[in-house]
Amino acid sequence: GEDVEQSLFLSVREGDSSVINCTYTDSSSTYLYWYKQEPGAGLQLLTYIFSNMDMKQDQRLTVLLNKKDKHLSLRIADTQTGDSAIYFCAESISGYSTLTFGKGTMLLVSP
Amino acid sequence: NAGVTQTPKFQVLKTGQSMTLQCAQDMNHNSMYWYRQDPGMGLRLIYYSASEGTTDKGEVPNGYNVSRLNKREFSLRLESAAPSQTSVYFCASSREQGAKGYTFGSGTRLTVV
Repeated sequence: GEDVEQSLFLSVREGDSSVINCTYTDSSSTYLYWYKQEPGAGLQLLTYIFSNMDMKQDQRLTVLLNKKDKHLSLRIADTQTGDSAIYFCAESISGYSTLTFGKGTMLLVSP
Repeated sequence: NAGVTQTPKFQVLKTGQSMTLQCAQDMNHNSMYWYRQDPGMGLRLIYYSASEGTTDKGEVPNGYNVSRLNKREFSLRLESAAPSQTSVYFCASSREQGAKGYTFGSGTRLTVV
């Protein structure tokens, strides 16, 4: 079955890099996503990666995918206090399934 | 450019009362979804509608009903609210089921006392 696991909490200092990790169980996942949720708001799509890619970079964000270990990570360079939020990993099996979300990682950035 | 609009934003119900959460999207998306978010549980899918005229159960459908009124609107109904349904409810839409990137509404915070 589908299961997405994330660590619950990460604390970093402003200017450091943050790395948020995620593991998934279904090897047939097609797309893997990172969403950001700020307090009192809905989820906002940050980035996604297709399963035939190893890495995707988008400005300060770097996504790494290790299909062998079913491990996905999100690296945020030069983390800012505005990056404080909950980050959700999600997977989609083929192009016709609903998304399965992890429980979310709360990122706290201190000045 | 509203995206996904949910109403109401906040609601307090007494146990046994009923209510309908409304959701509308203006992006001409085919698929719509209802999730609930609880502390430590992440997001769990309640119901979804892959296209106008169809609805399917998700992971936690018990105690809920849905209606896909038209392509734009997808409502969630609690017939007899229970304290276990206290949660934040999110509606989302996407071009197709499983398509890249769901667009989420800002949520409805429901408390059942």
